[in-house]
Amino acid sequence: DVVVTQSPLSLPVTLGQPASISCRSGQSLLHSDGITYLSWFHQRPGLSPRRLIYTVSNRDSGVPDRFSGSGSGTDFTLRISRVEAEDVGIYYCLQGTYWPPTFGQGTKLEIK
Amino acid sequence: QVQLVESGGGVVQPGGSLRLSCATSGFTFSNYGMHWVRQAPGKGLEWVAFIRHDGTGESYGDSVRGRFIISRDNFKNTVDLQVNSLRAEDTAVFYCAKDGGGVAPDFWGQGTLVTVSS
Repeated sequence: DVVVTQSPLSLPVTLGQPASISCRSGQSLLHSDGITYLSWFHQRPGLSPRRLIYTVSNRDSGVPDRFSGSGSGTDFTLRISRVEAEDVGIYYCLQGTYWPPTFGQGTKLEIK
Repeated sequence: QVQLVESGGGVVQPGGSLRLSCATSGFTFSNYGMHWVRQAPGKGLEWVAFIRHDGTGESYGDSVRGRFIISRDNFKNTVDLQVNSLRAEDTAVFYCAKDGGGVAPDFWGQGTLVTVSS
């Protein structure tokens, strides 16, 4: 299985400051169809995950534009330009290029 | 709006079985693949199984292959997960999720808890 590694695992951030989460895969996530199947999810405490970003950089409907995704190959990043209180929770990346799909370990964002 | 509602979880002894079900609405069910993803208490997300939109193909995670079976009914708009030979490490909240294209679930249910304990 493709191993997906997130860092950091814990991310204390001051309100209004930027935040960045890294996701690295053991193999390039560029599919033979030319698409990179890397997505990002946010899970608030006690709730189901919510998809934020798909195919590296496409934001889902209703996701604030302070969230952005970037990267290629094996290295990907989720950025929050200015952290707000509602952003707390755990962020996961998911690779869908190879079967079985694999999640990163999760990054817990908390407010300092 | 898209809704997914899981049911069927509960407490079961090691070696036992359960059938989890996910009732869906708000989208054309037969057009989309469906996933099951689980989360052990205090742990991260683990992808479990996927079934193609027309039910012609399934895929399973290594830890459940041979014990779990995913199925769907495109008339009732439901997707099921038969979980057999349960182990303590299968204790988790099981989520069903609609595939949003590119193996990236875009809508998730609220989850159903499976507890394996003697």
